[in-house]
Amino acid sequence: GIQVEQSPPDLILQEGANSTLRCNFSDSVNNLQWFHQNPWGQLINLFYIPSGTKQNGRLSATTVATERYSLLYISSSQTTDSGVYFCAVVNGGSQGNLIFGKGTKLSVKP
Amino acid sequence: NAGVMQNPRHLVRRRGQEARLRCSPMKGHSHVYWYRQLPEEGLKFMVYLQKENIIDESGMPKERFSAEFPKEGPSILRIQQVVRGDSAAYFCASSPPYSYEQYFGPGTRLTVT
Repeated sequence: GIQVEQSPPDLILQEGANSTLRCNFSDSVNNLQWFHQNPWGQLINLFYIPSGTKQNGRLSATTVATERYSLLYISSSQTTDSGVYFCAVVNGGSQGNLIFGKGTKLSVKP
Repeated sequence: NAGVMQNPRHLVRRRGQEARLRCSPMKGHSHVYWYRQLPEEGLKFMVYLQKENIIDESGMPKERFSAEFPKEGPSILRIQQVVRGDSAAYFCASSPPYSYEQYFGPGTRLTVT
């Protein structure tokens, strides 16, 4: 099956710093989503981005489907950005279920 | 438009009891997915349902677990004779027809004592 790898696994930032999270996938995809799991365990939809670039406030994402990777940019990080960021994909030949990466755990220090 | 709703948010069961988890998809969404997150792990797909049909249950444990999405009412994930290893967060997601984008509920945290 398709493999989804995220890097780095852990990231510690000072408030105000910028960061880039990476997601590599091993096969063609129909869907790619980025999620933020906050410290209370809730999964927040960040982006639906099977290809191209999107921006939402301090966050932006780019997926290059032909090269099988996606990047999530966080600018001017805040302590509320802490949590785990997951990338998830729907394989091109699947019924629609998401395959999740193991996540990047982000800690933003004040 | 209300989001995906799950209840209960927290559920405690003793070993051997049954757990029933409910999921109401977003209005207009006809596809429901269940995922499980074990402690310190990522999310794993369990089952994909449309109204009155199981489309893909390749991620469901072979025994004790079942799911349904009736014509009326919420989707139900049922775990019979729970064991401590079933303790996890169970998330439901829904998507509209002809879209792969999934929207997640707040999850049900099951604790088996």
